[in-house]
Amino acid sequence: DAKTTQPNSMESNEEEPVHLPCNHSTISGTDYIHWYRQLPSQGPEYVIHGLTSNVNNRMASLAIAEDRKSSTLILHRATLRDAAVYYCILSRGSGNTGKLIFGQGTTLQVKP
Amino acid sequence: DVKVTQSSRYLVKRTGEKVFLECVQDMDHENMFWYRQDPGLGLRLIYFSYDVKMKEKGDIPEGYSVSREKKERFSLILESASTNQTSMYLCASRNLNSNQPQHFGDGTRLSIL
Repeated sequence: DAKTTQPNSMESNEEEPVHLPCNHSTISGTDYIHWYRQLPSQGPEYVIHGLTSNVNNRMASLAIAEDRKSSTLILHRATLRDAAVYYCILSRGSGNTGKLIFGQGTTLQVKP
Repeated sequence: DVKVTQSSRYLVKRTGEKVFLECVQDMDHENMFWYRQDPGLGLRLIYFSYDVKMKEKGDIPEGYSVSREKKERFSLILESASTNQTSMYLCASRNLNSNQPQHFGDGTRLSIL
């Protein structure tokens, strides 16, 4: 299973954009890039996913490098409720169990 | 919105007891998963199910079994609970298309005394 690397922690100020990086240099052609976040005492929550093109939804944007070896989750205006652990995960798009391999993630602190 | 409901948020049981953790999803998803989450170890897959009555072992199935008699319900069973099974247990579901996201419940924090 391909591995991802994320910084252990990041800080942001409220209402500023946040860019959370993820390296996945061993990504294969059928791997989708998924982002989840986990707030304290809750289960992981799906944020966004993509294959090759950049993606936008109501929660965030996902920017994927042209070689797909890295990606960045963008929160356009951080709020205190965005403080969470963010996980970048690769999920094989075909013939797999759907198993998600969660690493340690990035703990995002948002300061008022 | 997808709703995955786990029967208990907190549970305390004794060593040797048989423990049932229940999970129900309301989106007619074919795939369901059980994970446990421990500090420093992240989430680890215990069992998953492709469809009704189908089950596959994950990475750490020892000491656990599962049951999927109905599509919406996936049960995790600790046959004889031990203290090293004290953990946060998370259930997830997903539709058949494997590039779609998994939707998680809020978890059951299980303590085995």
